[in-house]
Amino acid sequence: AQSVTQPDIHITVSEGASLELRCNYSYGATPYLFWYVQSPGQGLQLLLKYFSGDTLVQGIKGFEAEFKRSQSSFNLRKPSVHWSDAAEYFCAVDKAAGNKLTFGGGTRVLVKP
Amino acid sequence: DAGITQSPRHKVTETGTPVTLRCHQTENHRYMYWYRQDPGHGLRLIHYSYGVKDTDKGEVSDGYSVSRSKTEDFLLTLESATSSQTSVYFCAITSGASTDTQYFGPGTRLTVL
Repeated sequence: AQSVTQPDIHITVSEGASLELRCNYSYGATPYLFWYVQSPGQGLQLLLKYFSGDTLVQGIKGFEAEFKRSQSSFNLRKPSVHWSDAAEYFCAVDKAAGNKLTFGGGTRVLVKP
Repeated sequence: DAGITQSPRHKVTETGTPVTLRCHQTENHRYMYWYRQDPGHGLRLIHYSYGVKDTDKGEVSDGYSVSRSKTEDFLLTLESATSSQTSVYFCAITSGASTDTQYFGPGTRLTVL
């Protein structure tokens, strides 16, 4: 069975500071990896995804994520946070060609002025 | 934005009553999914469909049934709602290609009293 862990339930960051959200997965092979963002009362929007190739992936809204096979991790980063980045962030994995996502529990990001 | 609508957007019902949630897509995508979102659990897959009349169970399918008689519509039914089914329900779609993204609808907030 595959599982996805987001160790941080809440993170508070000051506007302009850097942000890193952690994601670890347990699965024998390298799955497809995703980060989604959910603003309050909204559905989920894809930030970025990794299937293969370059382990540093660029996404929308200035986010990037790095896949580290040795650590079974896919951490999300942003160099300078904006107040509009306050949201909940979900990491998800999919077995290759499985088309079924398993989500982590989410990390809620609060941005201080 | 992907053309996905969910109805109703909000519903309050009583324990023991049947409830049907509808997901409608205009993208002609083959795969459709129902997830539920609960605090600390992220999103969990209830059922999914890989074509008209082709459905399968997800991680948390007990107490739920689905039907798909047309490509564009995927119905989720709670035969006899329970308070544990109070949740936010999201529909998602994808074309089915292994590298495709799942696109999410706006969600339905269901409260079972």
